[in-house]
Amino acid sequence: QKEVEQNSGPLSVPEGAIASLNCTYSDRGSQSFFWYRQYSGKSPELIMFIYSNGDKEDGRFTAQLNKASQYVSLLIRDSQPSDSATYLCAVSNTGGFKTIFGAGTRLFVKA
Amino acid sequence: EAGVTQFPSHSVIEKGQTVTLRCDPISGHDNLYWYRRVMGKEIKFLLHFVKESKQDESGMPNNRFLAERTGGTYSTLKVQPAELEDSGVYFCASSRRMGQVYYGYTFGSGTRLTVV
Repeated sequence: QKEVEQNSGPLSVPEGAIASLNCTYSDRGSQSFFWYRQYSGKSPELIMFIYSNGDKEDGRFTAQLNKASQYVSLLIRDSQPSDSATYLCAVSNTGGFKTIFGAGTRLFVKA
Repeated sequence: EAGVTQFPSHSVIEKGQTVTLRCDPISGHDNLYWYRRVMGKEIKFLLHFVKESKQDESGMPNNRFLAERTGGTYSTLKVQPAELEDSGVYFCASSRRMGQVYYGYTFGSGTRLTVV
């Protein structure tokens, strides 16, 4: 079992729709959760982080965390073609900075 | 603020040669990390510096890899001798932490290493 699992996609959504990206993790001691966006040939860019159960909203992005289910999700509202990228889920444990990355989900937003 | 800078952006070397990668973190970021992405795989942790000290080097694959961060500023990652399986993209990242809040990484643009 991988430590951080994501569906590789591609996930294809029409422009203006909501894109829903999901991630599960295996370490129950995980305390910090991150979503990174990576455009082709570029480095990952942090877009959201969440520590507490529930929802965290930032503009068009909402991160959702359910520690009991070991599940993290990212919702992108009003999806734009510029959102087309690979989205990496990443998890870190308490007191440590080592971060485990999922393989990423490719998102394609059709104009 | 200036971002994380990595050099070189690309390197092609022959098996058995030595390569040294450099990373300049964001000024004031005590935490510096090296990660590697082999084609088709996840980004994998190599090691973590806090200032000049190695906090966690559990991801270093073997003793052909040597990382240093003299003076707690820039870091180097040396591969000697390089093997074919060392090919991949090497990312450096830095982060800051204030109290219990950990702000996540800022990544450099990466060094694409090809060993032939």
